[in-house]
Amino acid sequence: AQKITQTQPGMFVQEKEAVTLDCTYDTSDQSYGLFWYKQPSSGEMIFLIYQGSYDEQNATEGRYSLNFQKARKSANLVISASQLGDSAMYFCAMREDTGRRALTFGSGTRLQVQP
Amino acid sequence: DAGVTQSPTHLIKTRGQQVTLRCSPKSGHDTVSWYQQALGQGPQFIFQYYEEEERQRGNFPDRFSGHQFPNYSSELNVNALLLGDSALYLCASSLVQTESAFFGQGTRLTVV
Repeated sequence: AQKITQTQPGMFVQEKEAVTLDCTYDTSDQSYGLFWYKQPSSGEMIFLIYQGSYDEQNATEGRYSLNFQKARKSANLVISASQLGDSAMYFCAMREDTGRRALTFGSGTRLQVQP
Repeated sequence: DAGVTQSPTHLIKTRGQQVTLRCSPKSGHDTVSWYQQALGQGPQFIFQYYEEEERQRGNFPDRFSGHQFPNYSSELNVNALLLGDSALYLCASSLVQTESAFFGQGTRLTVV
């Protein structure tokens, strides 16, 4: 069974600084995908970034990058130049490439950006 | 291009009642998944529909059932509501050959 672990319940960061949100995963599959989602207080899950298990390069999307270390089974999210609007819950998720692509989520990290 | 839309946004029901939640997927998406997110937790997978059939199911009792229509929209039905069913219910749509799922804003269900 797959499992996602996010060990940081809450994080604080100063505006304009970078922050790393930790995520480790466990799976017996060789082919899988890793995702990060942002959930503001409104509730909607906003897709941020994706990393495939066979991708050799770390994924980047604007200010978001994913630090993928396959041997350590970690997929940390790095947010550069934090903005006040980045304050939200952040969830790491995994999808095994079998079946119809259900996502397994971690417990989330609440990020608060301080001015 | 409309994203994933869910209705209603909020709902209050009494224990023992039945509830139906609705989801319209993002245009062009053929797969709909439902998730339950209890307060302070990550979403938990309920089930997934593709080609009008339930294709995959999480660890939820039979009180949770669903349906997908020919236009790919979907319903989630919960019978015999319990207080513990109070949660945010999220719908996600995707295409088989794409990597990311797109979520709606959710339906917040409160069971009293």
